Parts: sequence; structure tokens; C-alpha cells
Amino acid sequence: GAVVSQHPSWVICKSGTSVKIECRSLDFQATTMFWYRQFPKQSLMLMATSNEGSKATYEQGVEKDKFLINHASLTLSTLTVTSAHPEDSSFYICSARVGTLYNEQFFGPGTRLTVL
Amino acid sequence: AQTVTQSQPEMSVQEAETVTLSCTYDTSENNYYLFWYKQPPSRQMILVIRQEAYKQQNATENRFSVNFQKAAKSFSLKISDSQLGDTAMYFCAFRQLNAGGTSYGKLTFGQGTILTVHP
Repeated sequence: GAVVSQHPSWVICKSGTSVKIECRSLDFQATTMFWYRQFPKQSLMLMATSNEGSKATYEQGVEKDKFLINHASLTLSTLTVTSAHPEDSSFYICSARVGTLYNEQFFGPGTRLTVL
Repeated sequence: AQTVTQSQPEMSVQEAETVTLSCTYDTSENNYYLFWYKQPPSRQMILVIRQEAYKQQNATENRFSVNFQKAAKSFSLKISDSQLGDTAMYFCAFRQLNAGGTSYGKLTFGQGTILTVHP
């Protein structure tokens, strides 16, 4: 299957700083990428959907100014957590899909963010 | 809006035995896909099996099979000959298709079931 990578796999930062997480589709072009947040032993919560070259669509309750998403190319999407606080500590997972005809999403390995 | 419900927060099974994970969903649509994903301790999401709603035949992938009951909106996963590597959190998921049969968009996940396989 197709491979999606995330970098970094884990990050620790101080409260008030910004953190950028990269999501790359390694062997396919992803027209749509999704960003999820997951707390321990809980389900994946969709944060936003991004299509290459256009603004991301955020889910209700997700602060777009806090979680900046950029999908500048067909193989790269980034999530920037701005002015991070301890409550932003979580596991962030990206997922990518090719076009609309394919019904499988390929998931990255996730990034664990810890804000001190 | 679609909802997916997994009523079993945790399950356990002995190695080599069979276990069934439950999933129900709610939708007013007729065209959709259903999925089971596995998330092992590594936390990498892995697609286990997929079912197209228009297909009456239940999907099967080696030791994994589903019981798809469209009228009852039920989509259970049966794992046969359980192995230690099956220990993971399992998520049932739903995706609606539009009238043209192309994918509408986002996956809706259930709450998850933590499955532990004991030796």
C-alpha cells in the first residue's frame, strides 16, 4: 500500500512556542489530506481536511488560528500548532487520499506532541 | 449526520480462538463504505477490511470477516484463529458516497474497542 510519513514522530516543546508537523505522501500524490487528533484510548477526532492548493476546512470547534494547516503540494501538508499550551498535548495523525474515486485513506504513523 | 457506535470498550480472547467485535451505525444514505481499522501499540492505523454497502456478500480477508446487516445497520468484525499480533485497538468507520458513487469525504470513526489476545 501507499506510504505516508510524518515528521517528527515526537516533539516536546515549551508552552507558548509553535510546533510544525509535516505529513508527506511518499509514493503517491495526495489530493486530499486529513489531520486527526487522538487522546489515549480514544477515537480519532478529525480536525481539518485540506485539498492541495486551497484553504483547509476545519471541523466545528477547531480553532483555525491555532492549528494552521498548509497543503502546498500534492505530497506535503503541514500542521502548525501556534502558541502551544499543555492542553494541546496529544497524538496527531495525518492521512492522505488520492482523488475521490479511491475509498482508502492511508495513515501516517502519528506525532506525539508534549507541551511543558 | 452519520454516527458509528462500538459498544464494547474492551474485549479479550485466548490465542487461536474466535472473537467478534460489534459496530452499529446510523445513516439515512444508501451509498456508503464501511471499514475496520486496527491500531496496534505502535499507533499506526492499518486497514483491516472494507465493505461496500451495495454488495450483499460479506467481505473476507484471510482470518478477518464481517457480518454486514444493512437493514439493521450493523457491521461486526470476526477474527478467527486469534494471534498475539491481533492485540490492538479496533475502529469501525463509515464513509458516505455521493450520488455519483465517488467518495464524499471524511471518515466517521466509532469509539474503538481494545482487543487483547492472551497466550
